[in-house]
Amino acid sequence: GDSVTQMEGPVTLSEEAFLTINCTYTATGYPSLFWYVQYPGEGLQLLLKATKADDKGSNKGFEATYRKETTSFHLEKGSVQVSDSAVYFCALEGSYIPTFGRGTSLIVHP
Amino acid sequence: GAVVSQHPSWVICKSGTSVKIECRSLDFQATTMFWYRQFPKQSLMLMATSNEGSKATYEQGVEKDKFLINHASLTLSTLTVTSAHPEDSSFYICSAIDDRGYSPLHFGNGTRLTVT
Repeated sequence: GDSVTQMEGPVTLSEEAFLTINCTYTATGYPSLFWYVQYPGEGLQLLLKATKADDKGSNKGFEATYRKETTSFHLEKGSVQVSDSAVYFCALEGSYIPTFGRGTSLIVHP
Repeated sequence: GAVVSQHPSWVICKSGTSVKIECRSLDFQATTMFWYRQFPKQSLMLMATSNEGSKATYEQGVEKDKFLINHASLTLSTLTVTSAHPEDSSFYICSAIDDRGYSPLHFGNGTRLTVT
């Protein structure tokens, strides 16, 4: 079945540092890939998405490129802020039920 | 953008009582909604798939008689935690699929349930 593997957290960074959160997947066919963000005490919000190979999703300074050859969708940001502290979920929608990674907690210190 | 409203956002109840959580799609119809449970510092656990007009499909290990799901209209699904116990305390999140297009999922803001 489909699966998503994310790097374990927490990821702790200083403000303005570079961020990478790794995500790899296994799926049949050609799934769409997503990153969701969950701020403390809230539900999930869509951060960005990519629907086909080589697509780059971007939003709020975050980027991720759909790499079919490496089955990856790593999340990056060039300069993180304290307000980026949250849990980030990688997800795919290929089969009927969406599949989520375990989530990676990001903590950004001033 | 599409909005999913989940209510209440937090609730405290006594052991043995039942609690109902509502999930509404405000500006789209959703034949299918999902209910998730999230423990502290852990990922989302899919509990069940809610389908309008039919019985919900529960994931393995989820007690359907304890977590009653009713999807009575195209914009409303409810989760009722029956005879709640402290171990049911958790963060419950719903999501909905817009009938006009499959992705992305739209999430409610979650319900923090505390059973005393």
